[in-house]
Amino acid sequence: DGGITQSPKYLFRKEGQNVTLSCEQNLNHDAMYWYRQDPGQGLRLIYYSQIVNDFQKGDIAEGYSVSREKKESFPLTVTSAQKNPTAFYLCACGSLGDTQYFGPGTRLTVL
Amino acid sequence: GQQLNQSPQSMFIQEGEDVSMNCTSSSIFNTWLWYKQDPGEGPVLLIALYKAGELTSNGRLTAQFGITRKDSFLNISASIPSDVGIYFCAGHSGAGSYQLTFGKGTKLSVIP
Repeated sequence: DGGITQSPKYLFRKEGQNVTLSCEQNLNHDAMYWYRQDPGQGLRLIYYSQIVNDFQKGDIAEGYSVSREKKESFPLTVTSAQKNPTAFYLCACGSLGDTQYFGPGTRLTVL
Repeated sequence: GQQLNQSPQSMFIQEGEDVSMNCTSSSIFNTWLWYKQDPGEGPVLLIALYKAGELTSNGRLTAQFGITRKDSFLNISASIPSDVGIYFCAGHSGAGSYQLTFGKGTKLSVIP
């Protein structure tokens, strides 16, 4: 089946630890995105990638890092430098000027 | 930066009633999108609009791309309990833009 997947669904992390969220797509889309969602604040763009081996900072990139070694994969690392990492993280993919398709999300909780 | 104003923020309606929500922008968009998000899930695309004045339906849902290209609305007719969720509008500013601008969402509650 074609689609976009994220794993894990739930993730718990201790303060000071880095953690990596997975995002995979087989829709053959060039662009991939990471968003953060907090209650009542809508979606905020963390990073996006238009093509393999290239990515750009979004509105709230501080404390996060990404890589794009393959077209299908766009993992997000939440580093210890992110001061308030507890949130719902959404990955999306899409084509230029067209719709974006979202994964099911990962809920990260920092203990 | 670009901003989308989505209203209302929340609404409570009786099952069977029609619903209307809208988004306005301070700048022109070339694409308007409407998504629905269930609790704990990712947003799902409902309707995509690509042309000013376009009116598109998807079952009980109807959305329109405003002729000024700065607004869009979504209507839901004869609401049912499974319509509950958060509805987001989003827009693309134009060719070469990989980014979407999102509204903050309309939370819909349906009273059986």
